[in-house]
Amino acid sequence: EIVLTQSPATLSLSPGERATLSCRASQSVNSYIAWYQQKPGQAPRLLIYDASNRATGIPARFSGSGSGTDFTLTISSLEPEDFAVYYCQQRYIWPPFTFGPGTKVDIK
Amino acid sequence: EVQLLESGGDMVQPGGSLRLSCAASGFSFSDYAMNWVRQAPGKGLEWVSSISGSGGSKYYADSVKGRFPTSRDNSKNTLYLQMNSLRAEDTAIYYCAKSTGSAVSTANFDSWGQGTLVTVSS
Repeated sequence: EIVLTQSPATLSLSPGERATLSCRASQSVNSYIAWYQQKPGQAPRLLIYDASNRATGIPARFSGSGSGTDFTLTISSLEPEDFAVYYCQQRYIWPPFTFGPGTKVDIK
Repeated sequence: EVQLLESGGDMVQPGGSLRLSCAASGFSFSDYAMNWVRQAPGKGLEWVSSISGSGGSKYYADSVKGRFPTSRDNSKNTLYLQMNSLRAEDTAIYYCAKSTGSAVSTANFDSWGQGTLVTVSS
């Protein structure tokens, strides 16, 4: 089973700042990493798929990069609505499809 | 607009059963694999099961294999999760999620329902 590790667990930033979130896989997942955003009381929303492709309707301030075992989600300038929990997920070696434990981006 | 509406969540005793449903609209249901993902209170996301667009391929997490068969009725645009032999650790919000293609491998979950809460407690 592929284990995904996300860091940091919590990221405290101010609106307008740049957020850099990391996801590391226990073995190569090629580029088959997705990123999801989840706000309290809401379902997750797909942001990025296959490491670097923005999903439909996702603002350009969200970008993804990486391949192999190391991946990054970058939010170029945080908007108030971006404070949430972010999960990475792999679909390269399955079952199971696995998620990381999440990174919470909160307001500093 | 894609819409996914789960139902069937409830409080049930350990060892009991429930059937969850996910009614889909706004897309050609049979063209897409569908998935169940759960989230225990205050915890992260856990994949539960996937089924291909035709219903011919099904996969399960080890934690539910043999207890939670998944199925779909493409004539009714509905996904199901039959939950048997429920345990306290199955307590979670259960989301149905649409994949981006018909094969189970296309597991980018691009649309999600609002979730339905299953509580297993005596």
